[in-house]
Amino acid sequence: SYELTQPPSVSVSPGQTASITCSGDELGDKFASWFQQRLGQSPVLVIYQDTKRPSGIPERFSGSNSGNTATLTISGTQAMDEADYYCQAWDSSTYVFGTGTKVTVL
Amino acid sequence: QVQLQESGPGLVKPSQTLSLTCSVSGGSISSGSSYWSWIRQPARKGLEWIGHIYSSGSTNYNPSLKSRVTISLDTSKNQFSLKLSSVTAADTAVYYCARRRDYGDGDAFDIWGQGTMVTVSS
Repeated sequence: SYELTQPPSVSVSPGQTASITCSGDELGDKFASWFQQRLGQSPVLVIYQDTKRPSGIPERFSGSNSGNTATLTISGTQAMDEADYYCQAWDSSTYVFGTGTKVTVL
Repeated sequence: QVQLQESGPGLVKPSQTLSLTCSVSGGSISSGSSYWSWIRQPARKGLEWIGHIYSSGSTNYNPSLKSRVTISLDTSKNQFSLKLSSVTAADTAVYYCARRRDYGDGDAFDIWGQGTMVTVSS
């Protein structure tokens, strides 16, 4: 079965840039989405189709996808960005989620 | 603005069937370009897609759960439902309903319910 691997944790200082990677076989040939999940809340879509931001998502969230890696970048990270982040892609009629990354804003 | 709300028992006995309903408000469940999905998350773990149903009634399930899952649609009530049979403790999780929106050249789970905790225990 298809797997998406993320680093367990990423730490970032306020105002700095956080980058979260998502690795999967030929992931660049698929569309990747990213979700933010704050503690005790439902996931929220922050990036879809690799680079698109839904309405209401701040411009500091951006995405890219090439080769075997998709990346979510948070520029000018704020305390409110502290959360778990999950990537997601589709493979063989199955929707697969990444292992998740906890972003800590120190 | 479409909103989703899960409902159902919070406790299910082992070997029994878990049944949940998702109520859709602010839009019709019969609208095209929307796939109505179930996703679950065990405590302190990641997300797992269970399956979805389209407005036509066609379904697609995660192969790892396919033998135990049924997702159905009730257009008169603007709801869709999940049934998971022969549950074990491994099925204990927060269950989310979500809309997968088809943009034509791609799709995304753009709207999620608040989630409902289901515990499997005797």
